[in-house]
Amino acid sequence: DADVTQTPRNRITKTGKRIMLECSQTKGHDRMYWYRQDPGLGLRLIYYSFDVKDINKGEISDGYSVSRQAQAKFSLSLESAIPNQTALYFCATSDVVAGDLYEQYFGPGTRLTVT
Amino acid sequence: AQSVTQLDSQVPVFEEAPVELRCNYSSSVSVYLFWYVQYPNQGLQLLLKYLSGSTLVKGINGFEAEFNKSQTSFHLRKPSVHISDTAEYFCAVSVRDDKIIFGKGTRLHILP
Repeated sequence: DADVTQTPRNRITKTGKRIMLECSQTKGHDRMYWYRQDPGLGLRLIYYSFDVKDINKGEISDGYSVSRQAQAKFSLSLESAIPNQTALYFCATSDVVAGDLYEQYFGPGTRLTVT
Repeated sequence: AQSVTQLDSQVPVFEEAPVELRCNYSSSVSVYLFWYVQYPNQGLQLLLKYLSGSTLVKGINGFEAEFNKSQTSFHLRKPSVHISDTAEYFCAVSVRDDKIIFGKGTRLHILP
């Protein structure tokens, strides 16, 4: 079973609709992240959370919001989807590997298309 | 601020030939370096990481990377590629605050 799961895996929605992408993890990690991947742009950080009460904006948070319902769950919402939010979205968790170095573990991704 | 540059967006290589995927980084402080691989329709998987110590790092699937501090590079190499290595490869850098900065990726195409 996958340690980091994302639902849905694929979603097509219309401009203006509200949509939520969900992420669950069984790794017991406190830290969770949402990234979006666009062709030729790599991964860009949307939001991250170091624990249930600590949520922070990443480099491209405009148009997105998040909710950390529990240690294991971190949801990303698009309040009013627009076509340029069409992308592949990844959830990740992280855990310390040595000193102050953390290693990230990625979910399988959600492919979102906004028409 | 840190940044990562992957010098090639696509690299075609014949099967069983060697390959090098290039990565340069910029940082004013010490960094940790990573290579991730993304196989088609999958998430990212860690290939290898450099924390400290030996500058030659070995990873999974026969890949290795060499950290060169003077050239601020962390190039990924494999002596003989297989069709199953077809994927996109991401170089990434992290500093003490845990955020990871990713490069834009290099698509490796294996030619028969």
